[in-house]
Amino acid sequence: RKEVEQDPGPFNVPEGATVAFNCTYSNSASQSFFWYRQDCRKEPKLLMSVYSSGNEDGRFTAQLNRASQYISLLIRDSKLSDSATYLCVVNSNSGNTPLVFGKGTRLSVIA
Amino acid sequence: DAGVIQSPRHEVTEMGQEVTLRCKPISGHDYLFWYRQTMMRGLELLIYFNNNVPIDDSGMPEDRFSAKMPNASFSTLKIQPSEPRDSAVYFCASSLRTASYNEQFFGPGTRLTVL
Repeated sequence: RKEVEQDPGPFNVPEGATVAFNCTYSNSASQSFFWYRQDCRKEPKLLMSVYSSGNEDGRFTAQLNRASQYISLLIRDSKLSDSATYLCVVNSNSGNTPLVFGKGTRLSVIA
Repeated sequence: DAGVIQSPRHEVTEMGQEVTLRCKPISGHDYLFWYRQTMMRGLELLIYFNNNVPIDDSGMPEDRFSAKMPNASFSTLKIQPSEPRDSAVYFCASSLRTASYNEQFFGPGTRLTVL
């Protein structure tokens, strides 16, 4: 089983739609969780951290389910500018260990 | 403030040639990471440094790859000899105080093509 698995998509959604991505991770000892965003031919950039209690940043909501070892990202009221690849990221083990990036889920928001 | 700086942005070379990629991390950041990204394998960690010391190089594919960090503001990733399967985008990233818990800032990447 891969350390971080995501549905590659693409998810093609109309403007204004709500879309959700899930990601599963294999190491139950992982302690830090993030969503990064990568635009086409650009570098990844942090979108948001994922906290145990769940967290929201504007139209974006991240959830963590430790029991099932998955992370979700919900985007409400999608904008054209949300079109990008969303990378699920976890640390490889407990403590200060390197991050492992998923291959990403591609989102296209269509006018 | 300047972000992570990488050079060159694009490199096209022939099989067997030596390739050197360069990175300048954000000033004050004490962790530096080298990643490789391909469509097939996604973003893979090659090696990372803490305070200029290599901590984990288990991701380096083989002996043809080497990385150095002679000081806090400069790192190189060298491939010698290069092969077509090394074609990828190579990213350098830096972070402050941790490999896990703080944001990693990525450079714009070097797009390498080995013919």
